[in-house]
Amino acid sequence: DIQMTQSPSSLSASVGDRVTITCQASQDISNYLNWYQQKPGKAPKLLIYDASNLETGVPSRFSGSGSGTDFTFTISSLQPEDIATYYCQQYDNLPFTFGQGTRLEIK
Amino acid sequence: EVQLLESGGGLVQPGGSLRLSCAASGFTFSSYAMSWVRQAPGKGLEWVSAISGSGGSTYYADSVKGRFTISRDNSKNTLYLQMNSLRAEDTAVYYCAKSLPDCSGGSCSDVGGAFDIWGQGTMVTVSS
Repeated sequence: DIQMTQSPSSLSASVGDRVTITCQASQDISNYLNWYQQKPGKAPKLLIYDASNLETGVPSRFSGSGSGTDFTFTISSLQPEDIATYYCQQYDNLPFTFGQGTRLEIK
Repeated sequence: EVQLLESGGGLVQPGGSLRLSCAASGFTFSSYAMSWVRQAPGKGLEWVSAISGSGGSTYYADSVKGRFTISRDNSKNTLYLQMNSLRAEDTAVYYCAKSLPDCSGGSCSDVGGAFDIWGQGTMVTVSS
């Protein structure tokens, strides 16, 4: 199975800060990488697909980059409503696997 | 409006069975692969199973292979997950999710790509 390692596991930042989360795959997954946001008690929401494509309706402050084994997710200016846990997920090979999640808090 | 609505969760004893349903609306259900993803209390996301749009191809995580069966009824726009021989470690919120198409070079993957639509989840608790 492909292991997805996210860092950091938790992050505290101030409103307006630039926030970056990284995700590393245990093998080359090309650009088959997605990012999701999950708020407490809610279902995950797709933000970025295929490493860098912004899902329709998602604010442009969210972005993704990378290919191969190393990927980055960025929030350019943190907003209070961005408090959530963020997950990366690969779909290059079955079983699909998720990172362990990054919990984002407001400082 | 595109929507997925799960049902069928509940409390079941170890070794018992449960069938989850996911009713889809707002899109051409038969055109898209679907998956089940679960989340144990306080834990991360785990992909469980996927099925192609036609229902002809199915895939499972090793943790549920031989115990769970995914199926779909495209005439009823409904996805199912039959769960047998349930264990305490199967306790989780179960989400159904629709996949974006994953096509390249004129062919498309059976299981699709990113999960763009999710249901609200249904809780399954396995306990005596």
